[in-house]
Amino acid sequence: ETGVTQSPTHLIKTRGQQVTLRCSSQSGHNTVSWYQQALGQGPQFIFQYYREEENGRGNFPPRFSGLQFPNYSSELNVNALELDDSALYLCASSVQGGYGYTFGSGTRLTVV
Amino acid sequence: AQSVSQHNHHVILSEAASLELGCNYSYGGTVNLFWYVQYPGQHLQLLLKYFSGDPLVKGIKGFEAEFIKSKFSFNLRKPSVQWSDTAEYFCAVTNTGTASKLTFGTGTRLQVTL
Repeated sequence: ETGVTQSPTHLIKTRGQQVTLRCSSQSGHNTVSWYQQALGQGPQFIFQYYREEENGRGNFPPRFSGLQFPNYSSELNVNALELDDSALYLCASSVQGGYGYTFGSGTRLTVV
Repeated sequence: AQSVSQHNHHVILSEAASLELGCNYSYGGTVNLFWYVQYPGQHLQLLLKYFSGDPLVKGIKGFEAEFIKSKFSFNLRKPSVQWSDTAEYFCAVTNTGTASKLTFGTGTRLQVTL
């Protein structure tokens, strides 16, 4: 079975720009969660998508938004990038209601 | 809101030494507990998890953890570490009914020297 794939692996953006990160979920999983991992910190929950709708959100502003597609893949969009958005962004897929999370290797975003 | 504390930020051990990493969570009720490992440049991997039953949980690579409800703790142990155990270790918690959200600790960086 395939794991979780994220793209791109690295990205450099300028403050104020917009960015889109992508995630392909593991086969058989229907739920995708996104996490932000700042340097030296643990991952922080951004939001989760199930049935193409947001299904739970952490303490992140509305400029963080997402999409889930019929094939369960997902995008994370961040508008008006700030320097503090520099982090590793992790995607995790699972089955709704379950606790078997599979994480991707992440996208390293640097905002300059 | 749930929070997770990992008291050891950076641990350096010699090969064959015993390991114990602390983890405490703040919110009671029914919890599910996890330890993840992140090797350099790799994705988070599940070491072990506790949902219910025997509070002593055995995971992969010789790791185990003990859930002590009265202390809100879920410490990770390994009797004898190897150089290949060098990695970042994260404790995480979900509350039953909120399967959507893993709350992570800040992580412990383990360095094993030869």
